[in-house]
Amino acid sequence: QSVLTQPPSVSGAPGQRVTISCTGSSSNIGAGFDVHWYQQLPGTAPKLLIYLNNNRPSGVPDRFSGSKSGTSASLAITGLQAEDEADYYCQSYDSSLSGSIFGGGTKLTVL
Amino acid sequence: QVQLVESGGGLVKPGGSLRLSCAASGFTFSDYYMSWIRQAPGKGLEWVSYISSSGSTIYYADSVKGRFTISRDNAKNSLYLQMNSLRAEDTAVYYCARVAGSITIFGVVIPNWFDPWGQGTLVTVSS
Repeated sequence: QSVLTQPPSVSGAPGQRVTISCTGSSSNIGAGFDVHWYQQLPGTAPKLLIYLNNNRPSGVPDRFSGSKSGTSASLAITGLQAEDEADYYCQSYDSSLSGSIFGGGTKLTVL
Repeated sequence: QVQLVESGGGLVKPGGSLRLSCAASGFTFSDYYMSWIRQAPGKGLEWVSYISSSGSTIYYADSVKGRFTISRDNAKNSLYLQMNSLRAEDTAVYYCARVAGSITIFGVVIPNWFDPWGQGTLVTVSS
């Protein structure tokens, strides 16, 4: 069981907006540690999507956005496209474990 | 461009050993913390270990502590993971990743996010 909790799956039609939640605790997100998001397309390595809660690396479309509040964070994807179909992971740091932690991953299906 | 290429994966029997390598290029390797992260078949991501830019500071996940050793050779732009006493539950794709950002709290460097990642190398532990 992952320290960060994500829904196993979400889905949406092309053009719609979806959000993926990431819930932590007082030793990680709630302690103020940043949240980062990765996209893993089928059969490929994870790729950084959002860093420091709400920053996009160059090349990532502005359809992707992140937010953080309290012990949770969210990834929002607007204007869903077929190529967004992938697994999405949140990541942070946990002071009790003295290491990085990941959410269990969320599979996004574009209907 | 920044590139990380892992090698050394394969099939090994329980209790056996394997050494993974990660060749880095396109950036000043000696300036960055580096990390290993693994993904069991069909499962999520699990952080394994990080090593500071000089190699003097190392952290491990509890699941591998005492069995795995991370190291680096800055002259060869290479990262390594020596894996001993392997178990079936160590079966995974192992990725090396650059720690792209860090924060410092009370003098302790906290690795933050990972970018980029290598393509991964598969380690299978089975008799």
